[in-house]
Amino acid sequence: SQQGEEDPQALSIQEGENATMNCSYKTSINNLQWYRQNSGRGLVHLILIRSNEREKHSGRLRVTLDTSKKSSSLLITASRAADTASYFCATVREGANSKLTFGKGITLSVRP
Amino acid sequence: EPEVTQTPSHQVTQMGQEVILRCVPISNHLYFYWYRQILGQKVEFLVSFYNNEISEKSEIFDDQFSVERPDGSNFTLKIRSTKLEDSAMYFCASKRGAGANYGYTFGSGTRLTVV
Repeated sequence: SQQGEEDPQALSIQEGENATMNCSYKTSINNLQWYRQNSGRGLVHLILIRSNEREKHSGRLRVTLDTSKKSSSLLITASRAADTASYFCATVREGANSKLTFGKGITLSVRP
Repeated sequence: EPEVTQTPSHQVTQMGQEVILRCVPISNHLYFYWYRQILGQKVEFLVSFYNNEISEKSEIFDDQFSVERPDGSNFTLKIRSTKLEDSAMYFCASKRGAGANYGYTFGSGTRLTVV
């Protein structure tokens, strides 16, 4: 089964606007994490939200988790051109050996 | 800030050749992982490693793959006889503790191109 499916697949916004990216998953999870990847580069951990948490903030990032709907959203406020990257959600399943299962990612373009 | 270091950043190899991808995890981390990302596709789990042995591997991680921690600092992924479909970005990751809520640190990746 697919786990960690993000939408939209691509998002283009103007600098200063907010960007909202969504992720859905199918199994029970221990936590959900968001990562950023600049083109052809490594994965940068952005934020982790545990299954018993509903919302978390880190700087301009806000993550929500709705375990009843098996979905999460990542909001980037006041976007900057430097936020242009691919964003991935990744889940750690309950009882798993804490391996990450990634979605396909969302390509965010922030126009200056 | 501590980093996971991967070398080389890009490797081109002929089909059928052996390659070794190298990683230096963060020094006080105990759990190590390899993931790969074929161009345009999802990042996929390959293998996890703890206490000098494999703790879990995916079905991708067949007999052509092996991992080793030869000297207490390096963590290597070996592909014995590379195939064209092994072309991908390979990411090493480490984390300090066993719990699922410990954060991962990923390296910048090695782009492997098999020709």
